[in-house]
Order: sequence, then structure tokens, then C-alpha cells
Amino acid sequence: AQSVTQPDIHITVSEGASLELRCNYSYGATPYLFWYVQSPGQGLQLLLKYFSGDTLVQGIKGFEAEFKRSQSSFNLRKPSVHWSDAAEYFCAFKAAGNKLTFGGGTRVLVKP
Amino acid sequence: EAGVAQSPRYKIIEKRQSVAFWCNPISGHATLYWYQQILGQGPKLLIQFQNNGVVDDSQLPKDRFSAERLKGVDSTLKIQPAKLEDSAVYLCASSLGTGSSNEQFFGPGTRLTVL
Repeated sequence: AQSVTQPDIHITVSEGASLELRCNYSYGATPYLFWYVQSPGQGLQLLLKYFSGDTLVQGIKGFEAEFKRSQSSFNLRKPSVHWSDAAEYFCAFKAAGNKLTFGGGTRVLVKP
Repeated sequence: EAGVAQSPRYKIIEKRQSVAFWCNPISGHATLYWYQQILGQGPKLLIQFQNNGVVDDSQLPKDRFSAERLKGVDSTLKIQPAKLEDSAVYLCASSLGTGSSNEQFFGPGTRLTVL
């Protein structure tokens, strides 16, 4: 079955520290992969996407993600977290017809 | 460029009542999506429109949920009658088309509480 798993429900990180959010997918082919961020009361905002080519993808707000086919993973990273990065992050993949399948999300808390 | 608009932003109803949500997509976007996001979960696609036609409604509980996009622009999602488990945020999104390279843009959502 096609699915996306985010193993960490909550992550707490100190401001200025690095952040890595895990995402694993199950899909028959190489999927289109995405990371979205959702701040309280806001809609989803696209951080970055991977379609093909370079497996290290740069996104907005200083985020990057690395596609690893051998591990079926697409982990999100940021070298230095800001308080404004506190939000919920969703990994997703896209199947035929432009349909997005989302993971359960990881809530990030930033300590001052 | 204006984003995806949704109203109302919040709605509280009693179970067995009816409720409707409205979405206005980005101008020129042919494809419109409704997602249900239950607390603590990722969004789940309920229905996808291409212009005024339904592309996929396989996960829409059709005994109580209905949606329409009569003129291929605005859309409404209705629940009748509502159940407690319908408490969720309902997100509307739009894209230029159904091709996988088309980014989906999301509205702020409508938070529904069913008491």
C-alpha cells in the first residue's frame, strides 16, 4: 500500500540547534515527495519538493531535504532553528492525478 | 495574487445538524481539492474537482457528505447530518491542473467542532 510515515510525533529543539525530521515512504516507483509546514491557524505552505535529479533539495526558510532511495526516506533538515520554526511539519507524496498523501505530521517545539 | 479563500474559519454545531463550507480557489486554477484534517493527523483527500467535474471522490462519505463546484470556480462542501467524528479542519486547495508538476495551494481551513 502507498503510505508515508513520520516516526516522530513531537520534537523539541533549542533555538540555534540543528533539526532533522524523518520521513519514510512506501510506493512502487520513485514518488514525487514534498515537505509542508503548517503554523497554528494557517494553511499548509510548501517548503520543498523532489521530483527527480539531485537528491539534495533546497527549500524556503533555510530548509533542505535529502532523498535516499535505498532507505525509502526523505528527511528534512535545518542547520539552525529559529523560534519561528515552531510548527507542524508534514511529509507527503504525490501519486497519479496530482493526489497528495500525507504523513501524520511532526510537531516541532522550539526552546529559547 | 490572492490565495485560496475559505469561510467560515470556525464553526460549532450540534450533532445531527447540517453545515456548509465555502471555498474560492486561486483565479484560473482548474483543479480544486477538499481535505479533512483530524486533530493529530495529516490531511486526507475527500474530493477532487477538475473544473466542475468530479475526478476522485473515493474517500468522501457519500451518505452524509456532498460537494459541488457548479460553475467550475467556487465550491461548497456540505455535511448532513454531522457526527462527532466529523470534528476536524477542512482544507481547500487548488492547482492549475491535475498534472503532478502542478503545485497545490492551500487555504487557511475551516475548523469544525461537532458537540
